[in-house]
Amino acid sequence: NAGVMQNPRHLVRRRGQEARLRCSPMKGHSHVYWYRQLPEEGLKFMVYLQKENIIDESGMPKERFSAEFPKEGPSILRIQQVVRGDSAAYFCASSLGGDTQYFGPGTRLTVL
Amino acid sequence: QKEVEQNSGPLSVPEGAIASLNCTYSDRGSQSFFWYRQYSGKSPELIMFIYSNGDKEDGRFTAQLNKASQYVSLLIRDSQPSDSATYLCAVNKVTGNQFYFGTGTSLTVIP
Repeated sequence: NAGVMQNPRHLVRRRGQEARLRCSPMKGHSHVYWYRQLPEEGLKFMVYLQKENIIDESGMPKERFSAEFPKEGPSILRIQQVVRGDSAAYFCASSLGGDTQYFGPGTRLTVL
Repeated sequence: QKEVEQNSGPLSVPEGAIASLNCTYSDRGSQSFFWYRQYSGKSPELIMFIYSNGDKEDGRFTAQLNKASQYVSLLIRDSQPSDSATYLCAVNKVTGNQFYFGTGTSLTVIP
């Protein structure tokens, strides 16, 4: 499968726990974007990364959320001390040169 | 003012008809424009992109761009029930920067 991979597909956490979402971009892509989508709502941009660099994190909440895209391995979106309002679908997209984005299947996070 | 605006719908068309989906954007300097389809519970799937004024056709889909009016549309000819989904318009102001997505238009094609 040469597409964007995300895991886990479903993640259940209790309030106060940490959630780690992983994204492997399409082969050859070095640009990764994270989005959040609440039920019946549009996609909200969170962060844009290239290898080892955060390019734009203007959509990222200032607290509890962080993202990285290391030289080796997948991009990680980390949510510390999750709250119920963090329950959403989190989508990762990748692009070759910062243009056309291709989406992964998403991670559905449920906070109990 | 929102960066990208779409009518939320729902838009209903009979099978075989033309579905017309519209999108406006606020930044006149925007460079590239995308249409994604999202089925319920699934991730967005790229349908088409367009960079230049005019029409771009791909099978049953035609994207139309009018930069003077800051308007992008997607036409779906010979609509099928399988086209029933939410259609998202996205705008890239500058290559390499974030996309701005509209909230999507829900389309239902009635058999």
